[in-house]
Amino acid sequence: QQQVKQSPQSLIVQKGGISIINCAYENTAFDYFPWYQQFPGKGPALLIAIRPDVSEKKEGRFTISFNKSAKQFSLHIMDSQPGDSATYFCAAKGGSARQLTFGSGTQLTVLP
Amino acid sequence: NAGVTQTPKFQVLKTGQSMTLQCAQDMNHEYMSWYRQDPGMGLRLIHYSVGAGITDQGEVPNGYNVSRSTTEDFPLRLLSAAPSQTSVYFCASRGQGRWGYTFGSGTRLTVV
Repeated sequence: QQQVKQSPQSLIVQKGGISIINCAYENTAFDYFPWYQQFPGKGPALLIAIRPDVSEKKEGRFTISFNKSAKQFSLHIMDSQPGDSATYFCAAKGGSARQLTFGSGTQLTVLP
Repeated sequence: NAGVTQTPKFQVLKTGQSMTLQCAQDMNHEYMSWYRQDPGMGLRLIHYSVGAGITDQGEVPNGYNVSRSTTEDFPLRLLSAAPSQTSVYFCASRGQGRWGYTFGSGTRLTVV
Protein backbone atom coordinates (compact mmCIF):
# COMPACT_ATOMS: atom_id res chain seq x y z
CA GLN A 1 0.00 0.00 0.00
CA GLN A 2 1.56 3.25 -1.17
CA GLN A 3 0.71 5.77 1.51
CA VAL A 4 2.38 8.72 -0.21
CA LYS A 5 1.77 9.16 -3.93
CA GLN A 6 4.07 11.50 -5.87
CA SER A 7 3.74 12.98 -9.33
CA PRO A 8 5.05 13.52 -11.92
CA GLN A 9 7.68 10.81 -12.23
CA SER A 10 9.84 13.14 -14.31
CA LEU A 11 9.79 16.84 -15.06
CA ILE A 12 11.68 19.01 -17.54
CA VAL A 13 11.70 22.77 -17.00
CA GLN A 14 13.49 25.63 -18.69
CA LYS A 15 15.92 27.74 -16.69
CA GLY A 16 14.01 30.45 -14.86
CA GLY A 17 10.75 28.51 -14.91
CA ILE A 18 8.68 27.15 -12.05
CA SER A 19 8.94 23.47 -11.10
CA ILE A 20 5.96 21.94 -9.32
CA ILE A 21 5.90 18.49 -7.75
CA ASN A 22 2.81 17.11 -6.06
CA CYS A 23 2.20 14.56 -3.34
CA ALA A 24 -0.91 13.08 -1.77
CA TYR A 25 -1.12 11.07 1.41
CA GLU A 26 -3.68 8.77 2.96
CA ASN A 27 -2.77 8.45 6.63
CA THR A 28 -4.24 11.30 8.66
CA ALA A 29 -1.81 10.44 11.50
CA PHE A 30 1.08 11.92 9.48
CA ASP A 31 2.28 15.10 11.18
CA TYR A 32 5.48 16.12 9.41
CA PHE A 33 6.01 16.51 5.67
CA PRO A 34 9.58 16.96 4.42
CA TRP A 35 11.00 17.20 0.93
CA TYR A 36 14.36 15.64 0.16
CA GLN A 37 16.73 16.41 -2.70
CA GLN A 38 19.04 13.73 -4.04
CA PHE A 39 21.92 14.12 -6.47
CA PRO A 40 23.32 11.08 -8.31
CA GLY A 41 25.53 8.95 -6.09
CA LYS A 42 24.54 10.83 -2.94
CA GLY A 43 22.11 10.27 -0.12
CA PRO A 44 18.91 12.30 0.15
CA ALA A 45 19.31 15.66 1.85
CA LEU A 46 16.55 17.52 3.65
CA LEU A 47 15.42 20.48 1.56
CA ILE A 48 12.40 21.93 3.34
CA ALA A 49 9.66 20.62 5.63
CA ILE A 50 6.24 21.63 6.90
CA ARG A 51 3.90 20.67 9.69
CA PRO A 52 0.14 20.44 9.07
CA ASP A 53 -0.73 23.46 11.21
CA VAL A 54 0.49 25.83 8.46
CA SER A 55 -0.56 26.05 4.81
CA GLU A 56 2.67 27.33 3.30
CA LYS A 57 6.36 27.52 4.07
CA LYS A 58 8.94 29.34 2.00
CA GLU A 59 12.71 29.08 2.11
CA GLY A 60 14.45 31.02 -0.62
CA ARG A 61 13.27 29.73 -3.99
CA PHE A 62 11.59 26.67 -2.45
CA THR A 63 7.99 26.70 -1.19
CA ILE A 64 5.81 23.98 0.25
CA SER A 65 2.05 24.37 -0.11
CA PHE A 66 -0.04 22.19 2.19
CA ASN A 67 -3.75 21.40 1.90
CA LYS A 68 -4.81 19.41 4.95
CA SER A 69 -8.42 18.86 3.88
CA ALA A 70 -7.36 17.46 0.51
CA LYS A 71 -4.42 15.55 2.07
CA GLN A 72 -2.08 17.01 -0.53
CA PHE A 73 1.15 18.97 -0.47
CA SER A 74 3.41 20.29 -3.17
CA LEU A 75 6.89 21.66 -3.74
CA HIS A 76 7.34 24.76 -5.87
CA ILE A 77 10.79 25.72 -7.10
CA MET A 78 10.82 29.28 -8.36
CA ASP A 79 13.38 30.52 -10.89
CA SER A 80 14.57 26.96 -11.47
CA GLN A 81 18.30 26.58 -12.18
CA PRO A 82 20.32 23.82 -13.86
CA GLY A 83 21.88 23.14 -10.45
CA ASP A 84 18.42 22.16 -9.19
CA SER A 85 18.47 19.14 -11.50
CA ALA A 86 18.10 16.22 -9.10
CA THR A 87 15.61 13.69 -7.83
CA TYR A 88 13.09 15.04 -5.34
CA PHE A 89 11.24 12.93 -2.81
CA CYS A 90 8.31 13.93 -0.71
CA ALA A 91 7.84 12.11 2.58
CA ALA A 92 5.57 11.98 5.59
CA LYS A 93 6.28 11.05 9.18
CA GLY A 94 3.87 9.72 11.73
CA GLY A 95 1.69 6.71 12.37
CA SER A 96 2.56 3.86 14.69
CA ALA A 97 6.20 3.56 13.57
CA ARG A 98 6.88 7.31 13.65
CA GLN A 99 9.19 6.84 10.70
CA LEU A 100 9.39 8.43 7.24
CA THR A 101 7.24 7.11 4.39
CA PHE A 102 8.56 8.28 1.02
CA GLY A 103 6.95 9.04 -2.29
CA SER A 104 8.33 7.39 -5.42
CA GLY A 105 10.44 10.38 -6.47
CA THR A 106 10.51 12.95 -9.27
CA GLN A 107 13.49 13.37 -11.53
CA LEU A 108 13.78 17.08 -12.31
CA THR A 109 15.83 18.33 -15.24
CA VAL A 110 16.31 22.07 -15.65
CA LEU A 111 17.50 22.97 -19.12
CA PRO A 112 20.01 25.82 -19.49
CA ASN B 1 31.90 16.00 12.18
CA ALA B 2 31.46 13.12 9.72
CA GLY B 3 27.65 12.76 10.05
CA VAL B 4 26.41 9.34 8.93
CA THR B 5 29.07 7.03 7.50
CA GLN B 6 28.21 3.93 5.49
CA THR B 7 30.60 1.21 4.40
CA PRO B 8 31.21 -0.28 1.94
CA LYS B 9 30.10 2.02 -0.91
CA PHE B 10 29.84 -0.87 -3.38
CA GLN B 11 29.48 -4.62 -2.92
CA VAL B 12 28.84 -7.59 -5.17
CA LEU B 13 27.58 -10.78 -3.54
CA LYS B 14 26.75 -14.21 -4.80
CA THR B 15 23.33 -15.63 -4.06
CA GLY B 16 23.33 -17.24 -0.63
CA GLN B 17 26.24 -15.26 0.77
CA SER B 18 25.84 -13.20 3.91
CA MET B 19 27.28 -9.80 4.72
CA THR B 20 26.94 -6.81 7.01
CA LEU B 21 26.42 -3.23 5.87
CA GLN B 22 27.94 -0.84 8.36
CA CYS B 23 26.43 2.44 9.52
CA ALA B 24 27.92 4.81 12.08
CA GLN B 25 26.92 8.30 13.19
CA ASP B 26 28.83 10.73 15.38
CA MET B 27 25.97 13.09 16.22
CA ASN B 28 24.71 11.18 19.29
CA HIS B 29 21.38 10.61 17.53
CA GLU B 30 18.89 8.30 19.20
CA TYR B 31 16.96 7.35 16.08
CA MET B 32 18.53 5.34 13.25
CA SER B 33 16.93 3.71 10.22
CA TRP B 34 17.78 1.60 7.21
CA TYR B 35 16.10 2.20 3.83
CA ARG B 36 16.45 0.55 0.46
CA GLN B 37 16.03 2.54 -2.73
CA ASP B 38 14.76 0.91 -5.88
CA PRO B 39 13.87 2.65 -9.18
CA GLY B 40 10.33 4.02 -9.18
CA MET B 41 9.69 2.95 -5.59
CA GLY B 42 11.26 5.69 -3.54
CA LEU B 43 12.87 4.65 -0.27
CA ARG B 44 11.35 1.85 1.75
CA LEU B 45 12.00 1.33 5.45
CA ILE B 46 13.70 -1.95 6.36
CA HIS B 47 14.39 -1.66 10.10
CA TYR B 48 14.72 1.15 12.58
CA SER B 49 15.91 1.81 16.11
CA VAL B 50 14.80 4.37 18.68
CA GLY B 51 17.81 3.85 20.91
CA ALA B 52 20.53 1.42 21.93
CA GLY B 53 19.09 -2.04 22.46
CA ILE B 54 15.76 -1.22 20.77
CA THR B 55 14.95 -2.17 17.17
CA ASP B 56 11.80 -2.74 15.17
CA GLN B 57 10.72 -3.81 11.71
CA GLY B 58 9.77 -1.48 8.92
CA GLU B 59 7.93 -2.05 5.67
CA VAL B 60 10.31 -4.59 4.08
CA PRO B 61 12.21 -6.45 6.85
CA ASN B 62 12.36 -9.97 5.41
CA GLY B 63 15.89 -11.23 4.80
CA TYR B 64 17.52 -8.58 6.99
CA ASN B 65 18.58 -8.41 10.62
CA VAL B 66 19.71 -5.48 12.73
CA SER B 67 21.08 -4.84 16.19
CA ARG B 68 21.90 -1.67 18.11
CA SER B 69 24.45 -2.31 20.82
CA THR B 70 25.71 1.28 20.88
CA THR B 71 24.20 4.68 20.07
CA GLU B 72 26.71 5.20 17.26
CA ASP B 73 26.40 1.98 15.25
CA PHE B 74 23.49 0.33 13.47
CA PRO B 75 24.65 -2.53 11.20
CA LEU B 76 22.35 -4.23 8.70
CA ARG B 77 22.90 -7.96 8.12
CA LEU B 78 21.85 -9.84 5.01
CA LEU B 79 21.41 -13.42 6.11
CA SER B 80 21.37 -15.19 2.73
CA ALA B 81 21.59 -12.77 -0.17
CA ALA B 82 19.05 -13.01 -2.98
CA PRO B 83 18.94 -11.16 -6.35
CA SER B 84 15.83 -9.33 -5.09
CA GLN B 85 18.05 -7.62 -2.54
CA THR B 86 19.99 -5.85 -5.28
CA SER B 87 19.44 -2.22 -4.34
CA VAL B 88 20.97 0.92 -2.91
CA TYR B 89 20.85 0.94 0.88
CA PHE B 90 20.74 4.12 2.95
CA CYS B 91 21.20 4.58 6.65
CA ALA B 92 19.69 7.66 8.33
CA SER B 93 19.63 9.16 11.80
CA ARG B 94 17.95 11.95 13.74
CA GLY B 95 18.20 13.31 17.22
CA GLN B 96 15.57 13.32 19.95
CA GLY B 97 13.16 16.20 19.45
CA ARG B 98 14.43 16.87 15.95
CA TRP B 99 12.39 16.30 12.82
CA GLY B 100 14.98 16.09 10.06
CA TYR B 101 16.86 12.93 9.18
CA THR B 102 20.50 12.90 8.06
CA PHE B 103 21.28 10.27 5.43
CA GLY B 104 24.51 8.50 4.65
CA SER B 105 25.85 8.34 1.10
CA GLY B 106 24.59 4.80 0.53
CA THR B 107 25.81 1.30 -0.27
CA ARG B 108 25.15 -0.03 -3.76
CA LEU B 109 24.65 -3.80 -3.46
CA THR B 110 24.44 -6.22 -6.38
CA VAL B 111 23.51 -9.85 -5.80
CA VAL B 112 24.32 -12.19 -8.68
